[in-house]
Amino acid sequence: KQEVTQIPAALSVPEGENLVLNCSFTDSAIYNLQWFRQDPGKGLTSLLLIQSSQREQTSGRLNASLDKSSGRSTLYIAASQPGDSATYLCAVPDSGGSYIPTFGRGTSLIVHP
Amino acid sequence: DVKVTQSSRYLVKRTGEKVFLECVQDMDHENMFWYRQDPGLGLRLIYFSYDVKMKEKGDIPEGYSVSREKKERFSLILESASTNQTSMYLCASRVSPLPQHFGDGTRLSIL
Repeated sequence: KQEVTQIPAALSVPEGENLVLNCSFTDSAIYNLQWFRQDPGKGLTSLLLIQSSQREQTSGRLNASLDKSSGRSTLYIAASQPGDSATYLCAVPDSGGSYIPTFGRGTSLIVHP
Repeated sequence: DVKVTQSSRYLVKRTGEKVFLECVQDMDHENMFWYRQDPGLGLRLIYFSYDVKMKEKGDIPEGYSVSREKKERFSLILESASTNQTSMYLCASRVSPLPQHFGDGTRLSIL
């Protein structure tokens, strides 16, 4: 069964810093990898989807990379802002055909002014 | 834009009550999911449904059941609520294997 680990569990940084959030997974036979954002008390919002054939995806100040062979993905946030404060989760669908995602426990990010 | 609507944002119930959590999606998605989310434990899958009247157990189905009579609606039922079912409950829908769309969650307290 796929296991997904996110490091660090929590991060507190001043505004303007460039950030790297890490996600590792144990089974490299993945179909895709997804990054989500969760605001306190809310549901998850999809940020980026990387297909297994891709190495990275970009959306605005967010860039996600994927290295299947090493079982890792990173989410890079450029020029962080207080509005980026949230929990970031990665998810990897299982490879058995159901594509049921396994979620990491997330990185809780606080960007202070 | 896909909309997944959970019927209540906050709910308080008593031990032993039968509790219904409702989820409706407006994009004709085949797959629907119920998760619970607890601090330190992350998201755990309770049940999912591939299509109408179809259901599969997830990782923690004990104490829960589900109903999917119509494609757009997926209900989670706590047959006899207990305090250890106090949690945040999240519903999601999708067209496999694309990413899920989540509702805003229901924070359920069992007293």
